[in-house]
Parts: sequence; structure tokens; C-alpha cells
Amino acid sequence: SAVISQKPSRDICQRGTSLTIQCQVDSQVTMMFWYRQQPGQSLTLIATANQGSEATYESGFVIDKFPISRPNLTFSTLTVSNMSPEDSSIYLCSVVVLGQPQHFGDGTRLSIL
Amino acid sequence: LAKTTQPISMDSYEGQEVNITCSHNNIATNDYITWYQQFPSQGPRFIIQGYKTKVTNEVASLFIPADRKSSTLSLPRVSLSDTAVYYCLVGVKGGGDRGSTLGRLYFGRGTQLTVWP
Repeated sequence: SAVISQKPSRDICQRGTSLTIQCQVDSQVTMMFWYRQQPGQSLTLIATANQGSEATYESGFVIDKFPISRPNLTFSTLTVSNMSPEDSSIYLCSVVVLGQPQHFGDGTRLSIL
Repeated sequence: LAKTTQPISMDSYEGQEVNITCSHNNIATNDYITWYQQFPSQGPRFIIQGYKTKVTNEVASLFIPADRKSSTLSLPRVSLSDTAVYYCLVGVKGGGDRGSTLGRLYFGRGTQLTVWP
């Protein structure tokens, strides 16, 4: 299965700042997604990262807060903008390769002070 | 997308068989049922996927009755390392024969399985 590398694995940030999370895959994938998992909760889909075009956001998530890029078939970034303590979560990247189950990275654990 | 309902938690002992049932009363005709496992500090890991009847792999079995309104994940002879959260998801299966699920996944609350020595 595809190997996903997310960076950073964890970070502690000050409120009001922004952080960009990177997701690198070792093979070309059909689709890439970003999820959020708040403490003690299940996963919530943020958006679908579309190659070469704007991401498709789920209800409750907006581009100004979570800008996403996907310049090619193996790389995507998620930025968490103007962070507040409510943004403290684990952010996970997932990918789909045809013929394989959707595969998740181990996430970026983000804490905002 | 069909909503899923699972028990919030389950307990078992090592060596026992564990069955986790998931309800999905509004499952659509082209929906597949997929189960993921998640350990702390890790992303979810695919366990098994099925459409109807029974599916078995090296890790688990998935039983789906004819009406498909529920499904049961069966873990044979659990060990301490099976302690994790298990998620049942319903959605459209994309191309491929190994469980590819094109499209967005909507996770429910999951079932926390705790295995005791």
C-alpha cells in the first residue's frame, strides 16, 4: 500500500499564527483527502484535495481558514490559518490508489496555546 | 450517505471471539460496508470491506444479512493488541477489487474495544 509521510508529526503553536502541514505519498494517487480528529472524537472530513484546482470543502469548513494545495499527484498541503485553541486537533491526510483501500497517514498533532 | 450506529464500547478477554455489530438502516443499493481500526496516535487502518453475505480475510470476517441493514465485524481470538477503536463506514466503492473506496468517508463515533488479559 501507499506510504504516507506527514510533516510535522506534531507542533505547538501560538494563537493567531498559521501552520502548514505537508502530506507526501510515495506513489501517484487518485484522490487525496484531509481530515480532522478533535480530542476524543471521531474523524471529520475537511476537504478533498484536487490536483491543480481548488479543493472541495465539506460543510463547516472554508478555504480562508483551511487553504489546501495539491500541485501534483503525490503531494498536498493543508494550512490551518489564524489558529485558536479550538483548532487543537489531529489533522490526517488520506489517499486513494485504485485497487486499494483508502489509506491514512498517522496525522499531525497540533496544539494551540 | 447512510448513517451508522455502533456500540460506544465493548470489553473482551484474550482468546475470545469479538463481534461488533453496526446498524445502517438507510444503506443505499450501491453502498459498500467498510471497517477501519484505529490505535492511539495512528491513523485509521483498513480491516475489511463487503457488500453482502460474508467476507473473510486474514484479520477478520464481515457478516452482512440479506437486507444489508446491519453488519457484524468478527475478530477471532483477540489479543491485547486488538485494543483499539473500530469504525464502521458505509459508502460507495470505487474501482478495483481490493476494497478501493473512491469518495469521501464519513466516520461515526466508533466502538472502543478493550481486551483484558
